[in-house]
Amino acid sequence: DAGVIQSPRHEVTEMGQEVTLRCKPISGHNSLFWYRQTMMRGLELLIYFNNNVPIDDSGMPEDRFSAKMPNASFSTLKIQPSEPRDSAVYFCASSPLSGANVLTFGAGSRLTVL
Amino acid sequence: QKEVEQNSGPLSVPEGAIASLNCTYSDRGSQSFFWYRQYSGKSPELIMSIYSNGDKEDGRFTAQLNKASQYVSLLIRDSQPSDSATYLCAVMRDKIIFGKGTRLHILP
Repeated sequence: DAGVIQSPRHEVTEMGQEVTLRCKPISGHNSLFWYRQTMMRGLELLIYFNNNVPIDDSGMPEDRFSAKMPNASFSTLKIQPSEPRDSAVYFCASSPLSGANVLTFGAGSRLTVL
Repeated sequence: QKEVEQNSGPLSVPEGAIASLNCTYSDRGSQSFFWYRQYSGKSPELIMSIYSNGDKEDGRFTAQLNKASQYVSLLIRDSQPSDSATYLCAVMRDKIIFGKGTRLHILP
């Protein structure tokens, strides 16, 4: 298996632009998680899906952030408009819905908003 | 109160010694506990999971859980330079919450 695949790996954009991050979970994993990591705040859970349904989006910082999972093999995290404080590494992770709840992380998308 | 707390470090340990990493959590309903290792510029990877009170050993790693004290620890025996990384404690009730991590530095 190729693992969790994220794109882009690096994104540099200007304040006010729309940013879309993409994730392909491991085949057969029913749960998908979006985390954001910064030095100040550590690894924060933004939103997670079970069987493509959003379960908890309480970590989404504000209405500028949205996430979708249209099918079992694809999810997007969108920021519109982006702000410099959104600069962070965004990780997608997946896990089986049942069992040990062990997360497998993607390589991350490093976002810089100028 | 932060949900999962860890000393940020850095924790410096001589090669070959035992490294001890600690974590406390606030939600008494938490049921699953994890330790992840994260090398600089890389993504977190699972080292250990523990679900019941007591010790769980896997090679050079031992996880310890005390639910009454809301305390989780990770011991690394015979520390190697390759163990130098940030160690993230994670706790799960309905969702998985991470601490900010402890930076571990193994001194050659």
